[in-house]
Amino acid sequence: GAVVSQHPSWVICKSGTSVKIECRSLDFQATTMFWYRQFPKKSLMLMATSNEGSKATYEQGVEKDKFLINHASLTLSTLTVTSAHPEDSSFYICSADGPGGDYEQYFGPGTRLTVT
Amino acid sequence: TQLLEQSPQFLSIQEGENLTVYCNSSSVFSSLQWYRQEPGEGPVLLVTVVTGGEVKKLKRLTFQFGDARKDSSLHITAAQPGDTGLYLCADNNAGNMLTFGGGTRLMVKP
Repeated sequence: GAVVSQHPSWVICKSGTSVKIECRSLDFQATTMFWYRQFPKKSLMLMATSNEGSKATYEQGVEKDKFLINHASLTLSTLTVTSAHPEDSSFYICSADGPGGDYEQYFGPGTRLTVT
Repeated sequence: TQLLEQSPQFLSIQEGENLTVYCNSSSVFSSLQWYRQEPGEGPVLLVTVVTGGEVKKLKRLTFQFGDARKDSSLHITAAQPGDTGLYLCADNNAGNMLTFGGGTRLMVKP
């Protein structure tokens, strides 16, 4: 149980375009989902916390107008990278609050974004 | 702002060797978690420790939490190529917020 999926697993887009990444909790409902980015050989950096039905909370230094987060249902959060630039190329990982109130986040498999 | 430092940053060993990696925090952990991440995948939780001095074992992995709850170690006995990956420690704060350390990248050569 507690499986989180991401789609797509990888995407290549051109500079200036926007790309949407989906994060789904497959067998449980997640009130809270988290979005991280990870550069090669680096650790995960929290970008934002996404709460169902409300605005996302962004970490310092993360542009909310560039990284649009929507958590419209208890099983789906989306991250849209707008006007992508090559420096946005990264590995984006989402996670979801575990069911049952346990203090565990369940991570998706990640989405590799390459902006050309 | 809490800082988590992991050491070493990179470790390359032969199959069968033992190793220890460390995680040190600038402040007391709320709840310490260790994760392993394979390339192109999301992190997978290995263990959660809460009590100072706690020791947990998971097959060949032994996790120790310092008495002062500011440091932790992960010891792997008889490492195998399948242990290769990025080992991350994280503090799980109130509200299930994670702060990750920089990670230790382990490579176990057959």
